[in-house]
Parts: sequence; C-alpha cells; structure tokens
Amino acid sequence: AQKVTQAQTEISVVEKEDVTLDCVYETRDTTYYLFWYKQPPSGELVFLIRRNSFDEQNEISGRYSWNFQKSTSSFNFTITASQVVDSAVYFCALSEHNNAGNMLTFGGGTRLMVKP
Amino acid sequence: ETGVTQTPRHLVMGMTNKKSLKCEQHLGHNAMYWYKQSAKKPLELMFVYSLEERVENNSVPSRFSPECPNSSHLFLHLHTLQPEDSALYLCASSQDLDEQFFGPGTRLTVL
Repeated sequence: AQKVTQAQTEISVVEKEDVTLDCVYETRDTTYYLFWYKQPPSGELVFLIRRNSFDEQNEISGRYSWNFQKSTSSFNFTITASQVVDSAVYFCALSEHNNAGNMLTFGGGTRLMVKP
Repeated sequence: ETGVTQTPRHLVMGMTNKKSLKCEQHLGHNAMYWYKQSAKKPLELMFVYSLEERVENNSVPSRFSPECPNSSHLFLHLHTLQPEDSALYLCASSQDLDEQFFGPGTRLTVL
C-alpha cells in the first residue's frame, strides 16, 4: 500500500526566513509520480510541481525548490525568503502508475504560517 | 469560465435530504475525481472517472452516488447522509497521468 507522511503538522516562521517542508513516501511501484499542492484559506488546491520517479534532478522555480532523494524516499520542499502570502496548508502526494487516471495518495499536510 | 468549478460552494442538509454536488471542468481533460477532506483525516480519494467510466470506488458508502454524464461534468448525489459526512468535497480533473487540477470545493454540513 502507498503512504505519504508529512511529519510536520504545523510550522511557523517569520517573513524572509527559509523553510523546508518534509515529505516521506512509501510505495512498491517502480514508476510513480510525486506532487506538491498548496491549499490557501480559500480551500482550492493549487498544483505546484509534479516529478516522476526516474527524474531525481532537483528543481527550482523562483523562491520554491524541491529536493527529490529516491534513496531516502523523500521529496522535500523549500521556500526561500518566505512571504506572508505563502501561508497555507501544503500537501505532498504520490500517484500510482495507472492508465486509468491518477490515484493520488495525499499526506496529512503541513500548515505553514508566515508572520510579518 | 475556466478551470474547474463546483456548485454549490456551501451546503447544509438534514440527514433525510437528497442533494447533489456538481463539478464542471473546462480544461478538456479525460479524467475526473471526487475527494473528501475532513478535519481529522488526510484527503481521501472517493471516485475516479476516466473517459466517463468509473474506474475507482474507494470503499465509499452507498449513500454517495457519483454520476459522470460526459467528460466535462461530474456529480455527487447525496442521500441520507450522517453528521460524520460533513466535510469539504473537492472535485479534480486531469489529462491521463498529468497533474490534477482542483475546484474550490463544496463545504458540506450535515445536521
């Protein structure tokens, strides 16, 4: 069975600090996808990134960066120079390789609070 | 309208009521999903439709009945719900194995 663990339920930082959100996953599949989503107070999940299991290159997008380590089954997310608008719940997710759509397994989420 | 829309945004219903949640996607995707997000549990996948056929029913009670009349529309029919069914119901769509795009959700309260 697949499982995604986000051990940090809540993180509070002061604006301009860097913050890393941890994600550890379990799967028996050799081919899978990992995702990060942001859920602001409005409730809608916003897609941030998708990474397939064969691509271990780290990725940077503006202030966001992701560190995929297959050896430790982790896919951590770092926000550099955090801003108040980054306050949200962040979800890490794992999908099975399935031709009939994506079966996403979500972690419990990490609530990030960025204080001015 | 663009993206994924859901109506209503808020719904309060009694346990004997029948109601339906609606989801519409304007992205040309071929798969649609229902998720439940309650306060004390991770996001739970309820149903998956691919090319208008249900391909996943994740042990959901029969008081939840999905319907996918075409690739752009998805409904969740609700009947004799329980208070523990109160949650945020999220709809999503994707093109095959690509990332899922989510709607804003329907906040359901069952009295």
